[in-house]
Amino acid sequence: DGGITQSPKYLFRKEGQNVTLSCEQNLNHDAMYWYRQDPGQGLRLIYYSQIVNDFQKGDIAEGYSVSREKKESFPLTVTSAQKNPTAFYLCASSADRRNTEAFFGQGTRLTVV
Amino acid sequence: AQKITQTQPGMFVQEKEAVTLDCTYDTSDPSYGLFWYKQPSSGEMIFLIYQGSYDQQNATEGRYSLNFQKARKSANLVISASQLGDSAMYFCAMREGTEYGNKLVFGAGTILRVKS
Repeated sequence: DGGITQSPKYLFRKEGQNVTLSCEQNLNHDAMYWYRQDPGQGLRLIYYSQIVNDFQKGDIAEGYSVSREKKESFPLTVTSAQKNPTAFYLCASSADRRNTEAFFGQGTRLTVV
Repeated sequence: AQKITQTQPGMFVQEKEAVTLDCTYDTSDPSYGLFWYKQPSSGEMIFLIYQGSYDQQNATEGRYSLNFQKARKSANLVISASQLGDSAMYFCAMREGTEYGNKLVFGAGTILRVKS
């Protein structure tokens, strides 16, 4: 089945460590997005990419990095520079047209211990 | 500036009644898309309905309809005949063009609780 897969579902990180969240899609979508969600809050855009080897900062990119070496994959690295990384992270993909919805992964819940 | 504004942090509705969730947006792009998503407590994001900026008719999908008032930059979601399973967080989102491609941004959400 086509879809978007995030892994792991739960992730624990020690302070000062970098950690990478995986996002893979087999929907042949050009556009991919990363969002952060804090408890009871909305989704805030971290990074987005419309094409391989190109990506743009969203509203809260500081302390995060991404790569887009393959169309199917858009991993997010939470660096030690991110001061408050504990959150729910959602990855999404869509066809690069304004009239198509984005499909979401199941999310990764990151906790800093 | 806030691109998507959802002014209702939480709403209650009686089962079988209709409820309207508010959404206003801000964009200078004449071509944009508006979306509503539902997020149950499990965290998954469920697409509900889409409205394009050039669409003349309001979008409808089953019990969901979108009250699109372009001049007021408003895209309210109407849920008819509420069910207990409608209890969830609801997000309004907009896709607009930027020089780097299409950007998809979300509002802060509205928590809906359906009472029996």
